[in-house]
Amino acid sequence: QLQLQESGPGLVKPSGTLSLTCAVSGGSITSSDWWTWVRQPPGKGLEWIGEIFHTGTTNYNPSLKGRPSLRSRVTISVDKSKNHFSLTVTSVTAADTAVYYCARARYSDVGVTILDYWGQGTLVTVSS
Amino acid sequence: DIVMTQSPDSLAVSLGETATINCKSSQSVFYRSTNKNYLAWHQQKPGQPPKLLMYWASTRESGVPDRFSGSGSGTDFTLTISSLQAEDVAVYYCQQYYVTPRTFGQGTKLEIK
Repeated sequence: QLQLQESGPGLVKPSGTLSLTCAVSGGSITSSDWWTWVRQPPGKGLEWIGEIFHTGTTNYNPSLKGRPSLRSRVTISVDKSKNHFSLTVTSVTAADTAVYYCARARYSDVGVTILDYWGQGTLVTVSS
Repeated sequence: DIVMTQSPDSLAVSLGETATINCKSSQSVFYRSTNKNYLAWHQQKPGQPPKLLMYWASTRESGVPDRFSGSGSGTDFTLTISSLQAEDVAVYYCQQYYVTPRTFGQGTKLEIK
């Protein structure tokens, strides 16, 4: 059964860099699926950050707010040799405090992907 | 971006009764060439990650009880939970996968009355 596990520091200082990794087990990151990051600020809803295919092709959310905008500070990468993918957010502020989830977007037979498997999530707090 | 708006924000329903959650998209998520609505529902229980309940607006994910049903097309969708059980207490999110960025509704919190 597919399992996704996020890992990374739970505390990041303001203006620092948030780095998380999602380990994929029970399946291959080189499948037809896409690999996604979603975040959830405390007590709030879900925000789609972006996704990556094993070839390195990415889609990001250009609309996520922040000063500067999250889109300009986010990078998603993949490491096929380790069967994991990663999220990096630079210049973090308190507004980036959230539970960060990695998830699989399952490739469907009509070519679109559906979020179907979620990791347990990891809380990242931005504070000095 | 497609804006997803759910109603109500919260509701309380008695055990054994039916809960109805609505979701409206700012533009149609129906794709003519596939004849499908690109709309999913996720359930998030307290302290847990979201879980896929429904996709294509009305197809239950494997293992989801048949008391959960989805309906609607175009821009208006409904998640219905019949014979409500205590384990159904959760926040429910609709989500479109018609375009990127994928977007979610703000969530509907379901409680037991």
